[in-house]
Amino acid sequence: GAGVSQSPSNKVTEKGKDVELRCDPISGHTALYWYRQRLGQGLEFLIYFQGNSAPDKSGLPSDRFSAERTGESVSTLTIQRTQQEDSAVYLCASTPLTGNTIYFGEGSWLTVV
Amino acid sequence: QKEVEQNSGPLSVPEGAIASLNCTYSDRGSQSFFWYRQYSGKSPELIMSIYSNGDKEDGRFTAQLNKASQYVSLLIRDSQPSDSATYLCAVEDYGQNFVFGPGTRLSVLP
Repeated sequence: GAGVSQSPSNKVTEKGKDVELRCDPISGHTALYWYRQRLGQGLEFLIYFQGNSAPDKSGLPSDRFSAERTGESVSTLTIQRTQQEDSAVYLCASTPLTGNTIYFGEGSWLTVV
Repeated sequence: QKEVEQNSGPLSVPEGAIASLNCTYSDRGSQSFFWYRQYSGKSPELIMSIYSNGDKEDGRFTAQLNKASQYVSLLIRDSQPSDSATYLCAVEDYGQNFVFGPGTRLSVLP
C-alpha cells in the first residue's frame, strides 16, 4: 500500500482481555517497528523486525506483550491480560532495507477500562 | 543505554520569530539524525534528516549537526501557528536501530 496501515484505529477493551493489533508495512520495506506512546509522553520502543532475522524484543515491557511477523509482511502485536497502564497509542513503522527513513502508521489507540 | 535528550518545553515563540530546538545524544557511533513533527493525536512525520556535520536547509527549516559535541538542532524560521506541535529528535545507530527523544513541545503564538 501507499503507507503503513494499522488496525484497528481505536480499541476499547476490558481489563484482563487480550487484544491484537495489526500492522501492514509499506510494500518492500524490510524493517518493521512497534512503539508505544502514552498520552503526553514520548515514543517507547517495543520491538523491531528486520527481514528474516531474529527480532529485537528488548523493548517489550513484560511477557504479556508479544509480536509476530511473517517474512516481510504483516505484523501482529498481542497484549494478553490487558491492564489499564497498557492504554496508549501503539505506533507501527517501517523502513526499506537500503534506506534509513522511518515511516509511521496512524497508530492504534488502545483504551483499557 | 543509548539516550537522546531534548528539553520537553513548552517552547513558546511569537509568530514570525525563529524557533530553536535542541537535541543531544549519547552514542558517539550514531550515524544518522532526524527531526519529526507530531501534531496532537497524530503520528510523527519526517521533517528533516541530516548525516554530516554542518547545516542542512529545507525551506524554513534548518538542521544543524555537530558530531564532536553530539548535538543536533532544528531551526524554524518565520514560525507560524501551524508549526505548533511536538518535535521529536531521532538518532539511528548501526542496524537501523532508531532511538527517539522525548520531544519538545513548540507553541507559536499569533
